Amino acid sequence: AQTVTQSQPEMSVQEAETVTLSCTYDTSESNYYLFWYKQPPSRQMILVIRQEAYKQQNATENRFSVNFQKAAKSFSLKISDSQLGDTAMYFCAFRSFSYSINNAGNMLTFGGGTRLMVKP
Amino acid sequence: NAGVTQTPKFRILKIGQSMTLQCTQDMNHNYMYWYRQDPGMGLKLIYYSVGAGITDKGEVPNGYNVSRSTTEDFPLRLELAAPSQTSVYFCASSYSSGVYGYTFGSGTRLTVV
Repeated sequence: AQTVTQSQPEMSVQEAETVTLSCTYDTSESNYYLFWYKQPPSRQMILVIRQEAYKQQNATENRFSVNFQKAAKSFSLKISDSQLGDTAMYFCAFRSFSYSINNAGNMLTFGGGTRLMVKP
Repeated sequence: NAGVTQTPKFRILKIGQSMTLQCTQDMNHNYMYWYRQDPGMGLKLIYYSVGAGITDKGEVPNGYNVSRSTTEDFPLRLELAAPSQTSVYFCASSYSSGVYGYTFGSGTRLTVV
């Protein structure tokens, strides 16, 4: 079974600065998908960014980008020009590449989360 | 589109009571999931369904049951509620097998006292 680890329970950043959230994972697979989800105080889970492991190019979505290091099994999220609305819990998640449908191990596996506070 | 709708948003149960958490989606997604989120923790998979009439256990299924009679609905049943089931419950759905991520409901905060 895959495991996802987020080693930073809490972080803070000043508004307009850049912050990087860490995520590592453990898998024996060569192809898979990685995600970052944002959970603001409203509790809604919002997909921030997605990375396909077989693509070497790091994914970007506006102010959000990832540093995907496949050999190191690392998938960090960089938030540039931090805004107050970025204050949230951030979850890293892993999904196997396998399309086997009757296997719970192929569902999204989440890390424990990092609570990010953006300060004015 | 409403997306994924969960009801209720909050509930307090007494030990031993039962209840059903409702989840419905209007995106015609075949795949649906139930996760629980404990304080300061990530989400753990309870049950999932790959289509109407097909359900299977996730990582933490004990104390729960599900059914999937239609594509739209995926209710989660708690039998004999216990304090260990105090948590926030999320329902989600996905196009195909979730390789593009999931769409989540807004969650149900359940407290068992």
